[in-house]
Amino acid sequence: DIQLTQSPSFLSASVGDRVTITCRASQGISSYLAWYQQKPGKAPKLLIYAASTLQSGVPSRFSGSGSGTEFTLTISSLQPEDFATYYCQQLNSYPPTFGQGTKVEIK
Amino acid sequence: QVQLQESGPGLVKPSETLSLTCTVSGGSVSSGSYYWSWIRQPPGKGLEWIGYIYYSGSTNYNPSLKSRVTISVDTSKNQFSLKLSSVTAADTAVYYCARESVDIWGRDYMDVWGKGTTVTVSS
Repeated sequence: DIQLTQSPSFLSASVGDRVTITCRASQGISSYLAWYQQKPGKAPKLLIYAASTLQSGVPSRFSGSGSGTEFTLTISSLQPEDFATYYCQQLNSYPPTFGQGTKVEIK
Repeated sequence: QVQLQESGPGLVKPSETLSLTCTVSGGSVSSGSYYWSWIRQPPGKGLEWIGYIYYSGSTNYNPSLKSRVTISVDTSKNQFSLKLSSVTAADTAVYYCARESVDIWGRDYMDVWGKGTTVTVSS
């Protein structure tokens, strides 16, 4: 299975901050990477797919980049509703696997 | 828009079979553009993909669970189902059903999720 390692695992930030989360794959996955946001007690919500394509309805402050083994999710200006856990997922090969998550909390 | 809803027992005894159903509304499981998946999340932990089914009945399972998992589809009821046999406490989790979409360039992603259902394995 392809392993995904997110960093950091925990992030404390303030409203308005620029936030970057990294996801590294154990082997090349081209651009077959998605990012999800999960709030407590809720299902994950798709933010970005194919590494950099913004899902319809997702605010433009979210962006993704990368290919191969290193990817980033950036929130350009953190909003109160963005405090959540973020997961990356690879869909290059089965089984699809997820990173361990990055929890973004209020500073 | 498409909505998914999981249903099934919230408590299963060890060694028994966990059975869940996902009902699709606002869309059809018979659409050839999608794969219908199950994912789970143990308490306080990350996400694990269990498997998917295509409307034709073809399946793909996580090798870590393959010997215990069966996913089936009922197009007449617009539902798909999960069975996980010989459960233990390690199978306690929130179980989600989700739709995996593939765009015209072959890029896939899970864009619709159910709210999730909690299953506890305990005697």
